[in-house]
Amino acid sequence: QSALTQPPSASGSPGQSVTISCTGTSSDVGAYDYVSWYQQHPGKAPKLIISEVTKRPSGVPDRFSGSKSGNTASLTVSGLQAEDEADYYCNSYAGSHNYVIFGGGTKLTVL
Amino acid sequence: QLQLQESGPGLVKPSETLSLTCTVSGGPITSGIYYWGWIRQPPGRGLEWIASVYFSGSSQDNPSLKSRVTISVDTSKNQFSLKVTSLTAADTAVYYCARQGGYGSPKYGFDVWGQGTTVTVSS
Repeated sequence: QSALTQPPSASGSPGQSVTISCTGTSSDVGAYDYVSWYQQHPGKAPKLIISEVTKRPSGVPDRFSGSKSGNTASLTVSGLQAEDEADYYCNSYAGSHNYVIFGGGTKLTVL
Repeated sequence: QLQLQESGPGLVKPSETLSLTCTVSGGPITSGIYYWGWIRQPPGRGLEWIASVYFSGSSQDNPSLKSRVTISVDTSKNQFSLKVTSLTAADTAVYYCARQGGYGSPKYGFDVWGQGTTVTVSS
């Protein structure tokens, strides 16, 4: 069971937009619309910010948006703010054998 | 407001079995909408899904853990538990319990998390 592939780091200046990719295969990301994204600040538990590729849970700012094309899902953070600096993880349903896989995580730095 | 709280030993010896419990408060674990899962994070590394369980006892676990994992649910106590056998240093991690919603399927993301409990495997 291989992890989904994320870039180890991303960065942007306040007010800019940044996109983080999450690449899987035709057996997970490409096969199902069950990709989620999480934000994790140091020493804290992850927080769900996107579910089912594009859905934002209540309370998550609309600056966060998700999309998917083929085997790659993406998280876009618009209007970057200092508090967006965190680690971001994607995960996907991977079928009835592997069930749930996570990406390796991306550290987002706000310059 | 739903809350999850992990409990268990902070230090376990190699080759022994780790037992962790997640206590759910603010809502019934018997809700047919959700699965309940365990996720771990080794120091300085990413998240790894371990296993998920439904209130009926139906469960799934990560095949990469090679059957060392047992997940169970105790509806009378509103708790679910995890056992990991044959521990090695590689099992050292922060262990999180989380709710996996919804529609009674393990396909969805984890929307409510516990604060995590640190487990160190060392003699």
